[in-house]
Amino acid sequence: DIVLTQSPALAVSLEQRATISCKTSQNVDNYGISYMHWYQQKPGQQPKLLIYEGSNLASGIPARFSGSGSGTDFTLTIDPVEADDIATYYCQQSKDYPRTFGGGTKLELK
Amino acid sequence: EVQLVESGGGLVQPGRSLKLSCAASGFTFSNYYMAWVRQAPKKGLEWVATISTSGSRTYYPDSVKGRFTISRDNAKSSLYLQMNSLKSEDTATYYCARVSYSSYIYDWGQGVMVTVSS
Repeated sequence: DIVLTQSPALAVSLEQRATISCKTSQNVDNYGISYMHWYQQKPGQQPKLLIYEGSNLASGIPARFSGSGSGTDFTLTIDPVEADDIATYYCQQSKDYPRTFGGGTKLELK
Repeated sequence: EVQLVESGGGLVQPGRSLKLSCAASGFTFSNYYMAWVRQAPKKGLEWVATISTSGSRTYYPDSVKGRFTISRDNAKSSLYLQMNSLKSEDTATYYCARVSYSSYIYDWGQGVMVTVSS
């Protein structure tokens, strides 16, 4: 199975930049596409898609969210951070079955 | 508007069975892969089952393989998860999910809670 590793928490100030990393145990690129996706989950809610295929912004997601990376190293950037962005963020790979998620990074206010 | 509404959760004893259902609307159900994803209390997400558009292909992680069965009824726009030989570690909120062509999740249901306890 492909293992995805995220830092458990990140403290950030409002209006600053947050960078959340996700490292995979195997390459998740194939034919020029990164099979890496990012979700946001707020307490008591279902997750919501933010970024798909490494860097594509999902419909309705503000442009302050962006995704980058390739191979085994990926980053979700929020710039600038707003109060509504306080949540847990998960990466997910779809290069291989079983599909797997990272453990999540909880974004906290500094 | 896409809607995914799960049902069938509850409290069940270890070793027993439970079947979850998901009623889908707002999109052409038969055109999409579907999946179940679970989240144990205060824990992260785990993808537990995927089914192809026709239902002919299914995929499971080792943690549930042989115990869980995903199925679908395209005529009823419904997705199911049959869970057998339940264990305490299966306690979680189970989400029904609409899956894209490259296996990211477009839409999630609200989730249904399953508690396995004696």
